[in-house]
Amino acid sequence: GDKVKQSPSALSLQEGTNSALRCNFSIAATTVQWFLQNPRGSLINLFYLVPGTKENGRLKSTFNSKESYSTLHIRDAQLEDSGTYFCAAGTGGYKVVFGSGTRLLVSP
Amino acid sequence: GGIITQTPKFLIGQEGQKLTLKCQQNFNHDTMYWYRQDSGKGLRLIYYSITENDLQKGDLSEGYDASREKKSSFSLTVTSAQKNEMAVFLCASSRQGGDTQYFGPGTRLLVL
Repeated sequence: GDKVKQSPSALSLQEGTNSALRCNFSIAATTVQWFLQNPRGSLINLFYLVPGTKENGRLKSTFNSKESYSTLHIRDAQLEDSGTYFCAAGTGGYKVVFGSGTRLLVSP
Repeated sequence: GGIITQTPKFLIGQEGQKLTLKCQQNFNHDTMYWYRQDSGKGLRLIYYSITENDLQKGDLSEGYDASREKKSSFSLTVTSAQKNEMAVFLCASSRQGGDTQYFGPGTRLLVL
């Protein structure tokens, strides 16, 4: 099965609403990175997490290594938040394992 | 700050052709990565390099070669392009293994 499972696979939001994306790990993740791939295809890094929580503007992410999951909360969604969100789990070495992504569409 | 550049942006090849993709970074990062992304899918690791002249195989290395002759550059070669192949190849770098990865804009490959 998938080592990094993202849910939901796709999501539609109205502007101004809130939502949460999730990654579940079946590997012993020690770090998590969250990325946004914008409609032009560029990958932008949003967060790098060890176990704990980080916040940046309208985005907040939590990584719980004991329960093997990470969440990304989006508050007051804006049109420019549209794109595909990826999480990637590190296990202490050089490699990370990517999930399949959550496609987010924010509409007016 | 820094930047990662990838050339070319678009690459159209013929079946059986050997194709080379290039990546340059000015972050002065030690580790560099090549990923493949198929349409609507996640990223799969092809090769990575932890320092100049080092090469490590990823999960998808068959059919590819890589070269890290300088710290700032990492090249990927498709050894024999497959007909109807279409994918985006993404290069990334990080200060050290396991650190935040920064990505280039990608090379879009189409094989006729």
